[in-house]
Amino acid sequence: ELQLVESGGGLVQPGGSLRLSCAASGFTFSSYEMKWVRQAPGKGLEWVSHISSSGSNIYADSVKGRFTISRDNAKNSVYLLMNNLRAEDTAVYYCARDQRYSYGLRAFDIWGQGTMVTVSS
Amino acid sequence: EIVLTQSPGTLSLSPGERATLSCRASQSMSSNYLAWYQHKPGQAPRLLIYGASSRATGIPDRFSGSGSGTDFTLTISRLEPEDFAVYYCQQYVSSPPGYTFGQGTKLEIK
Repeated sequence: ELQLVESGGGLVQPGGSLRLSCAASGFTFSSYEMKWVRQAPGKGLEWVSHISSSGSNIYADSVKGRFTISRDNAKNSVYLLMNNLRAEDTAVYYCARDQRYSYGLRAFDIWGQGTMVTVSS
Repeated sequence: EIVLTQSPGTLSLSPGERATLSCRASQSMSSNYLAWYQHKPGQAPRLLIYGASSRATGIPDRFSGSGSGTDFTLTISRLEPEDFAVYYCQQYVSSPPGYTFGQGTKLEIK
């Protein structure tokens, strides 16, 4: 079964750090680009970060310089290290697989259930 | 930066009716990168449509996508009770590289 399972969320004080993990199973993890997407309470989905199969990465402007995405293909896992957290980072964080279809089409086809991050004093 | 605007914000319909959801881009974009997702509270988002009009694996044929350029549409031909959810369109841009979601359309039972 294709599956992504996030972990590592919790309550953290402003300015603190947290590391999220996403464990993949049921597919050849090393062949896929991976994403982190978040949803703040009462808000819509927001893309956070992307990592290619080779490890190159990009970030949304809202987290650039504070968040670092990484992956360990031997452990079939992708990570999100979040530093200098702010109240506005409070959200459910989802990891997702980037599927490449024929003719250059692409979309996020597999998603985890999410892990909640709360930034509050 | 391409902005995606979805309309309406909320759509109130009854089971059996037809739903038409709109996603408008602030500038012309490749339909290759336009996707639609369904999201229910407490669940993982679910991919419905990719490439503007291709149904994802396991998606019923009552869901269809269309459009090109700046205007894209998700149509649900006959609503089932399980279709009431929030729907997002999403696109990828290469310069600067990144992904954007629309603000969502909430489809609620009338």
